[in-house]
Amino acid sequence: EAGVAQSPRYKIIEKRQSVAFWCNPISGHATLYWYQQILGQGPKLLIQFQNNGVVDDSQLPKDRFSAERLKGVDSTLKIQPAKLEDSAVYLCASSLGRQNRLGKNTEAFFGQGTRLTVV
Amino acid sequence: AQTVTQSQPEMSVQEAETVTLSCTYDTSENNYYLFWYKQPPSRQMILVIRQEAYKQQNATENRFSVNFQKAAKSFSLKISDSQLGDTAMYFCAFMKPPFNTDKLIFGTGTRLQVFP
Repeated sequence: EAGVAQSPRYKIIEKRQSVAFWCNPISGHATLYWYQQILGQGPKLLIQFQNNGVVDDSQLPKDRFSAERLKGVDSTLKIQPAKLEDSAVYLCASSLGRQNRLGKNTEAFFGQGTRLTVV
Repeated sequence: AQTVTQSQPEMSVQEAETVTLSCTYDTSENNYYLFWYKQPPSRQMILVIRQEAYKQQNATENRFSVNFQKAAKSFSLKISDSQLGDTAMYFCAFMKPPFNTDKLIFGTGTRLQVFP
């Protein structure tokens, strides 16, 4: 099956510009996540969707970051205006969002990420 | 709040040898999941192994196994017969209930280099 698709793979912008990232999750996956991974750190959850509703956006800087998941499938993450400290890899992941028939919590599958450099 | 700590920023091992990566975590929960993810230069996070906290038996997946010490809140990864393709960043991650939210909390990672 196709994996999680993200685009673009790389983006370089100047501070105060805006940027958008796109994610297409695995077909049938109800849960979609956006993670921010700053160099030298582990991924940090920015926002989590269950279908087209937001489950957790407690660590999303809402003054400059926004995300949407229209129709519960694809998602876009936007930064406006960008700051130097937003330079990071932005990872999208998806999961079925429920336990499987064995009662096991289902695995999250990750895309290859978008590397953002703000100069 | 839950935290995950990986105290080894970098590790190296010779091909065919065994290496152990350390991870400790802090939680007041009794039931949870622990994971090891591999992130090669391609940046795609790949699940290596998963441990359910209510299971006493340590998880194994081919050359990968864990040493899960619940009382000590320790979760180390052992890679046997290391291969060049094992070179990557390795992240320990924690998932707390309710599991339908699937939220993963990651450590800072360990960079593993396998030498020929």
